[in-house]
Amino acid sequence: DAMVIQNPRYQVTQFGKPVTLSCSQTLNHNVMYWYQQKSSQAPKLLFHYYDKDFNNEADTPDNFQSRRPNTSFCFLDIRSPGLGDAAMYLCATSRVTGGGDEQFFGPGTRLTVL
Amino acid sequence: EDQVTQSPEALRLQEGESSSLNCSYTVSGLRGLFWYRQDPGKGPEFLFTLYSAGEEKEKERLKATLTKKESFLHITAPKPEDSATYLCAVQVKGGSQGNLIFGKGTKLSVKP
Repeated sequence: DAMVIQNPRYQVTQFGKPVTLSCSQTLNHNVMYWYQQKSSQAPKLLFHYYDKDFNNEADTPDNFQSRRPNTSFCFLDIRSPGLGDAAMYLCATSRVTGGGDEQFFGPGTRLTVL
Repeated sequence: EDQVTQSPEALRLQEGESSSLNCSYTVSGLRGLFWYRQDPGKGPEFLFTLYSAGEEKEKERLKATLTKKESFLHITAPKPEDSATYLCAVQVKGGSQGNLIFGKGTKLSVKP
């Protein structure tokens, strides 16, 4: 089955220690997104890639970076995690942007910062 | 400012007790409205997309409708396995490409 895969499902890191979250997709979609979702809150878009074109949301902290080495993979790097960065991180994909296409989400990575 | 408001925040139903969830939106121009289901500790699962007022879509016990100001997710004769948080999101014409504006969700609990 075509799907969006996130690894790891649970990640524990220490305050200030860099961490990388991984997302891969078998849908062959052009667009990959990263969302942050805190408890009982709506998912918040951090950034997205349309192919290799990177689009950062205006209010995404510089502490968050992303890489997309190929169509299938996308990474979220948190350079110096703070306690406030503890959240569920969701990866999503869509065929195109702005065309009313639905986004398909992965299972998420739960990040804990000690 | 574009925004999405869902109500109620939480809803408890008995098995078989039909009800509706509301998603109100204020946007400059709607490209699409999306409904997702999210189980605890998991990513959102896509349910429906609605594009224009008057449109309706159904899937098993769920039916989504759309007007110019709001969308309803009707749940007919719910079962315990329908318990989840239901998220509504809109995509805005001319907005940040691909950006979905999410509501905070309605947490549905269905008791046997």
